[in-house]
Amino acid sequence: DIQVTQSPSSLSASVGDRVTITCQASQDIGKYVSWYQQKPGQVPNLLIFDASTLETGVPSRFSGSGSATHFSLTISSLQPEDVATYYCHHYDHLPPTFGQGTKLEIK
Amino acid sequence: QVQLLQSGAQVKKPGSSVKISCKTSAKTFNDYVVAWVRQAPGQGLEWVGRFSPVSQSSNFVRKFGGRLTITADSHTKTFFLQLSSLTSEDTAIYYCATQGKGRFLQYLQAWGQGTLVTVSS
Repeated sequence: DIQVTQSPSSLSASVGDRVTITCQASQDIGKYVSWYQQKPGQVPNLLIFDASTLETGVPSRFSGSGSATHFSLTISSLQPEDVATYYCHHYDHLPPTFGQGTKLEIK
Repeated sequence: QVQLLQSGAQVKKPGSSVKISCKTSAKTFNDYVVAWVRQAPGQGLEWVGRFSPVSQSSNFVRKFGGRLTITADSHTKTFFLQLSSLTSEDTAIYYCATQGKGRFLQYLQAWGQGTLVTVSS
């Protein structure tokens, strides 16, 4: 199975900061990575798919990049409502796996 | 966007089985592959399996062995996850979600509200 290593596991940043979360896959998975935001007590919400495509309705401050084994999610200007846990997810082949999650807090 | 409505929370004894349902608002039954993801208390997300209404077939993580069954009912546009021989490690919120179209595996686009399964004696 492909291992997806997400970092950091937690992150504290100030409003307006640029924040980047990374995922590294144990083998080449092309562009088949998505990113989800899960706010406390809520259902995961799709932000990015195919590594860099922004899901409809997601604010443009979110962006994704990468290919093969290295991927990243960037929030260009952190907002208070972005407090959440973020997960990457590979869907290149069975079984899909998720990263361990990054808990993002506001300083 | 399609909506998914899951059945309510359940408490089960160790060794018993649980069956969770996920009803879609899709126009036709074949519109979406549905995947299942679970989340143990305070933990991350774990992909469990998927069901394709077109091929009427399922795929799931090997670790479940023969304990897991994923099915669907075309008449009610409802998908089901059944897990047997429950242990405390199966305590989790179980989510159903639609896959994006175009590939055997895809990102997870619309999610159900989740079903909490608690395994406790």
